[in-house]
Amino acid sequence: DGGITQSPKYLFRKEGQNVTLSCEQNLNHDAMYWYRQDPGQGLRLIYYSQIVNDFQKGDIAEGYSVSREKKESFPLTVTSAQKNPTAFYLCASSPGEYPNYGYTFGSGTRLTVV
Amino acid sequence: AQSVTQLDSHVSVSEGTPVLLRCNYSSSYSPSLFWYVQHPNKGLQLLLKYTSAATLVKGINGFEAEFKKSETSFHLTKPSAHMSDAAEYFCVVSGRSGGGADGLTFGKGTHLIIQP
Repeated sequence: DGGITQSPKYLFRKEGQNVTLSCEQNLNHDAMYWYRQDPGQGLRLIYYSQIVNDFQKGDIAEGYSVSREKKESFPLTVTSAQKNPTAFYLCASSPGEYPNYGYTFGSGTRLTVV
Repeated sequence: AQSVTQLDSHVSVSEGTPVLLRCNYSSSYSPSLFWYVQHPNKGLQLLLKYTSAATLVKGINGFEAEFKKSETSFHLTKPSAHMSDAAEYFCVVSGRSGGGADGLTFGKGTHLIIQP
């Protein structure tokens, strides 16, 4: 079955440490997205990519970095510059550039600072 | 600018009774509208979408929503609630008039509780 796989499901980060969240899709979608979800809030966009080797900052990109070397993969690195990284992170993809298609979401990674 | 307001943060209904989750939006252009469902510690699943075709949209699991331009609303309904419907529901508006960098604006969510 086609879908999006996020790993790990749970991740613990020490202060000052960089961690990378994996996102892989086999839907042949061009566009991929990373969102952050905090309790009681909607989703906030971190980064998105509409094509391989290209990506744009979202609304809360500070302290995060991404790469898009392959169509199927869009990993997110949470750097030590992100001062409040504890959150639920969701990766999504869509067939085309504009969001009218609707998104397919992964199951998420819950990141906790210890 | 565009925005979306989910009018209730929590809705509680008894199993077998109707469900109504309310969503109002604002947009400078003709928007596309979506409802997503999220079960605990899971990703979001698309329930249904409106993209300027029929104003009454049918989705999965018996849900439907009606786009009312005059009221700028896109309420989600289901005739009979099931225990498995207990989840968080998000109304989303997309368009080129603003929102996030990708043109999407998410509501803050409505937590649906189903009483046995």
